[in-house]
Amino acid sequence: EDQVTQSPEALRLQEGESSSLNCSYTVSGLRGLFWYRQDPGKGPEFLFTLYSAGEEKEKERLKATLTKKESFLHITAPKPEDSATYLCAVQSGAAGNKLTFGGGTRVLVKP
Amino acid sequence: GAVVSQHPSRVICKSGTSVKIECRSLDFQATTMFWYRQFPKQSLMLMATSNEGSKATYEQGVEKDKFLINHASLTLSTLTVTSAHPEDSSFYICSASPGQGSITDTQYFGPGTRLTVL
Repeated sequence: EDQVTQSPEALRLQEGESSSLNCSYTVSGLRGLFWYRQDPGKGPEFLFTLYSAGEEKEKERLKATLTKKESFLHITAPKPEDSATYLCAVQSGAAGNKLTFGGGTRVLVKP
Repeated sequence: GAVVSQHPSRVICKSGTSVKIECRSLDFQATTMFWYRQFPKQSLMLMATSNEGSKATYEQGVEKDKFLINHASLTLSTLTVTSAHPEDSSFYICSASPGQGSITDTQYFGPGTRLTVL
C-alpha cells in the first residue's frame, strides 16, 4: 500500500524567511510525485510533477526536488501570498492513475 | 489551460433529499475523472474513479448506492448524494485527467462544492 507522510504539519514563517517542506513516500513503482497548493475553501492547484530521482522543478519562489525516498518543496524568500496548505501526492504502478495524498503542510507567512 | 469547474459551489439541503454536483473539464477532454471528499483540516480522500461510458470504481467503504456517479461525456461527470444526511456534510472536490497517453496523468482539480445537510 502506498504511503505518503508530510512534515511539518504546520509552518509559520516571517516574510523572507526561506524554508523547506518534506514529503516522504513508500510506493510500489513510482510513476510520478505531485505537489499541489490548496487555499482555504478551494480545490488544490497543480504546482509540479516529478518523475525520477534527481529531478528538480521551479516556479517563482518554489522549487521541488525528488530523491528515491522523499521530495522537498523549498520556498525561497516567501511572501504572505504564499500562505496555503501544500499537498504532496504519489502515483504508483500498483495503483494505476490514482493519487495517494499526504496530510499536507499548512504554511503561514507573516509580513 | 486545464480548467475544471464544479457546480454548485455551495448547497444546503434538508435531510433525506438528493443533491447533484456537476464537474466539467472546460478546455480538455477527460478520459478519467475522480471524486474526493475532504473534512476540515484533513487531506483529500478518494471516493471513486470514473471513466467515460463505464461504471465508476468506488473505494473501499464508499457506498455506491449512496454516492451515484455518472460520467456521461468526456467533459462531464456528476455525483449525486442520495437521501443525504447530516453526516454527508463535507467538501466534495472533483478532478479530471487529460489522459494524453503519457505514463503519468496529472489530475487537475475543480474548486470544490460545500455540502451542508440540515
